[in-house]
Amino acid sequence: AQKITQTQPGMFVQEKEAVTLDCTYDTSDPSYGLFWYKQPSSGEMIFLIYQGSYDQQNATEGRYSLNFQKARKSANLVISASQLGDSAMYFCAMRAVTNTDKLIFGTGTRLQVFP
Amino acid sequence: DTAVSQTPKYLVTQMGNDKSIKCEQNLGHDTMYWYKQDSKKFLKIMFSYNNKELIINETVPNRFSPKSPDKAHLNLHINSLELGDSAVYFCASSFPRQGLQETQYFGPGTRLLVL
Repeated sequence: AQKITQTQPGMFVQEKEAVTLDCTYDTSDPSYGLFWYKQPSSGEMIFLIYQGSYDQQNATEGRYSLNFQKARKSANLVISASQLGDSAMYFCAMRAVTNTDKLIFGTGTRLQVFP
Repeated sequence: DTAVSQTPKYLVTQMGNDKSIKCEQNLGHDTMYWYKQDSKKFLKIMFSYNNKELIINETVPNRFSPKSPDKAHLNLHINSLELGDSAVYFCASSFPRQGLQETQYFGPGTRLLVL
């Protein structure tokens, strides 16, 4: 069975600073994919970034980067130069090769960016 | 040019009623999903359909019945609504056979409140 753990229920960061949101996962599958989604207060789920378990390099998308440490089973999201609009819930999710139809989500981290 | 749309956005109803939520995607995706997000923000898959065929049914009470008239639409009908059905329901879609990297795109959510 797959599991995603996000241990930080809430995080604060000052505008223009970088912040790391933690995500650890558990799977016995040799191949899997990891995703991060953002959910602002308006409620929609926005895809941010993807990391494959066999990708050689950490994924980056603009100000978002993924600190992927396979041995530690962690896939932390790093947001650089935080903006007020980054205030939202952030969800880590995983899909494993033996169950590609299913995306398993963590419990989320609420990020607050203050001026 | 909305990608995944849901109607209604808000739904307030009495216990025991029957209600439907509609979902449409114009992304040309083959696979559609229904997720439930509870009051603690935990997001869990309920159903998935691929080309109108049911792929996933996650031990959801049979009061919930998805219907896919075509691959661009996946509606959710709920019979005999209960207080515990109050949640945000998200529709999502993806283009399959991309393996682990297959990204799901979410609708704006339908906030259901059962009184």
